[in-house]
Amino acid sequence: AQSVTQLDSQVPVFEEAPVELRCNYSSSVSVYLFWYVQYPNQGLQLLLKYLSGSTLVKGINGFEAEFNKSQTSFHLRKPSVHISDTAEYFCAVIRNSGNTPLVFGKGTRLSVIA
Amino acid sequence: GAGVSQSPSNKVTEKGKDVELRCDPISGHTALYWYRQSLGQGLEFLIYFQGNSAPDKSGLPSDRFSAERTGGSVSTLTIQRTQQEDSAVYLCASSQQGGSPGNTIYFGEGSWLTVV
Repeated sequence: AQSVTQLDSQVPVFEEAPVELRCNYSSSVSVYLFWYVQYPNQGLQLLLKYLSGSTLVKGINGFEAEFNKSQTSFHLRKPSVHISDTAEYFCAVIRNSGNTPLVFGKGTRLSVIA
Repeated sequence: GAGVSQSPSNKVTEKGKDVELRCDPISGHTALYWYRQSLGQGLEFLIYFQGNSAPDKSGLPSDRFSAERTGGSVSTLTIQRTQQEDSAVYLCASSQQGGSPGNTIYFGEGSWLTVV
C-alpha cells in the first residue's frame, strides 16, 4: 500500500519569502504524485502532478515541485509567496497502474504573514 | 453538470440517527471517491467506485458506513446510527480514470456533517 507523510502540519512564512512544503511517500511500486490546494471555505483543486518525464513539475500560481525517487520525496516550492497563497496543501500518491485510490497526506497549513 | 455536486452542504443530526449524503459526479467520469476530512486528520479515504468493478471499501471505518452508486453515476453515502466522532466534512470526487490513474481527480465542495 502507498502512504504519504507531510512533515509539517503548519508553516508560517512572511509575504514575498520563499517556501518549501515537504512531502515524502512510501510505495513498493511506481507511483504518480499530486499536490492539491484547499483555499479557505473552498473545495480542493489540483496544483500540479508528476506522472513521468522531467522531475521538475510546474503548476498553477507559480508553484513547482520536484520528484526525487531516491529520497522518495515530492517537495512543493514557491520562490515568493503572496497573502493569497494562505491555504491547506495536500500531497497525494497513487499507483501508476491498476485501480487503486488516491492516498492523501494529512496536509500542511501555509499561513502567509504580511 | 460543470462540477461535482454534493448535497446537503450542511447537515446537523442527532446522535443515533441515520444520514444520507449525495454525490453527483461530473458527467462521463467513471471513477468516484468518497473521503472524510476531519480537523487535523487530512483526507481519509472511505470508498472508491470504478466503472462496473466491485468498489474498494477498504477505507470504510465501520459497518455503520455504506455507499452505493446507481447507474454508474450518482452515489449515496449512508451513515447509520451516527456518532459524534462521525462529525466531519465528507468529500466526493470523480475522475475520468479510464485505466489511467494519472487523470486529475475533481472534488465537490463537501457535505459538512455535525452530530449532536
